[in-house]
Amino acid sequence: AQSVTQLDSHVSVSEGTPVLLRCNYSSSYSPSLFWYVQHPNKGLQLLLKYTSAATLVKGINGFEAEFKKSETSFHLTKPSAHMSDAAEYFCVVSDRGGTSYGKLTFGQGTILTVHP
Amino acid sequence: DAGVTQSPTHLIKTRGQQVTLRCSPKSGHDTVSWYQQALGQGPQFIFQYYEEEERQRGNFPDRFSGHQFPNYSSELNVNALLLGDSALYLCASSLSFVGYEQYFGPGTRLTVT
Repeated sequence: AQSVTQLDSHVSVSEGTPVLLRCNYSSSYSPSLFWYVQHPNKGLQLLLKYTSAATLVKGINGFEAEFKKSETSFHLTKPSAHMSDAAEYFCVVSDRGGTSYGKLTFGQGTILTVHP
Repeated sequence: DAGVTQSPTHLIKTRGQQVTLRCSPKSGHDTVSWYQQALGQGPQFIFQYYEEEERQRGNFPDRFSGHQFPNYSSELNVNALLLGDSALYLCASSLSFVGYEQYFGPGTRLTVT
């Protein structure tokens, strides 16, 4: 079975300050992990993915995430927030095997607000 | 290169009616998955189609059914609509067995009154 917990439902930062969105996962198999972003009234855009290669993953728009197996975490970071980063972010897990193969399980989402 | 497309964009139906939503996958993709996103929630997996067959299914009742055509496009059908079926329905496509990332369409907003 696979599951995801996003530890913050809302995060508020000032423009130019670092962003940290926290995610813990549970997986019966070696997982693939993703972060997706959803802007208001838009579809989901893939930010980055981890599929068992390097544990530090770089994505689009300056975002990064680090896979930590011992902590079952996959936190999303960005050194300096931009106004355009304001959106809802979803942490997603997919088991690479078993009955959940090919199925994405989403967290509840974290709404990021960026203040000028 | 066209991404994932969905139609219609918005739909309003009455309780008890039936609805069909459509999805065309990204060029070269052979697998289509459907998700339901209720307001304020993360998307929930409904089912996945590959080679015109349902390969995986989430915890949704039989009122939700689907189909995949030889050109890989897909339909989601919902019978006997309930107020609780009001949501954004997202289609995602992927290339089977090559990575696990899925590319999402813009969604269909279904309102049941």
